[in-house]
Amino acid sequence: AQKITQTQPGMFVQEKEAVTLDCTYDTSDPSYGLFWYKQPSSGEMIFLIYQGSYDQQNATEGRYSLNFQKARKSANLVISASQLGDSAMYFCAMREGYTNAGKSTFGDGTTLTVKP
Amino acid sequence: DGGITQSPKYLFRKEGQNVTLSCEQNLNHDAMYWYRQDPGQGLRLIYYSQIVNDFQKGDIAEGYSVSREKKESFPLTVTSAQKNPTAFYLCASSTPPPDTNEQFFGPGTRLTVL
Repeated sequence: AQKITQTQPGMFVQEKEAVTLDCTYDTSDPSYGLFWYKQPSSGEMIFLIYQGSYDQQNATEGRYSLNFQKARKSANLVISASQLGDSAMYFCAMREGYTNAGKSTFGDGTTLTVKP
Repeated sequence: DGGITQSPKYLFRKEGQNVTLSCEQNLNHDAMYWYRQDPGQGLRLIYYSQIVNDFQKGDIAEGYSVSREKKESFPLTVTSAQKNPTAFYLCASSTPPPDTNEQFFGPGTRLTVL
């Protein structure tokens, strides 16, 4: 079974508007971490935001916030005030437990296009 | 500046040849990883190493080999046994638990088999 599911292959958003990228996950481990990464067309992976399974508050980093709904196993990324430079592929990832040296399982990604 | 370097950026290989991709980090991280990415898809783990002289297979290790003789270096060899090696290869490193374990990635190597 897929451990990380991103159901939106492609998304469009108007510049300056907010957009939500969906991510659901599957794990039986009570300790896990959820990550979002951005991959521009150049190929490098850029870390955006992290949410720990025991964190009470939703994570925020500048224009990025993570809508963490633990019971629904959902970790959606919200980008506020979209900019043209936000056009990229976005990956959700999960690290399970504390014994895996940080190795993560990645979703298939969502391609975001910001329209001027 | 701390970071991860990968070389070369582009690599062309003839069928039947082994080729080695370089990955070096100066972040003083213990853990390092190799991922493969096919067009339009996510990352799949090939090998990872938690410490020098130790490494484990990931989800798609067949046809690949690694070594970890130094903390800074984690080279990946794509052998002739890998049936479809054309892909984008990303190397990463991370801090150990209980840190967040965010992964720091190199710029990648794009391998094409001719």
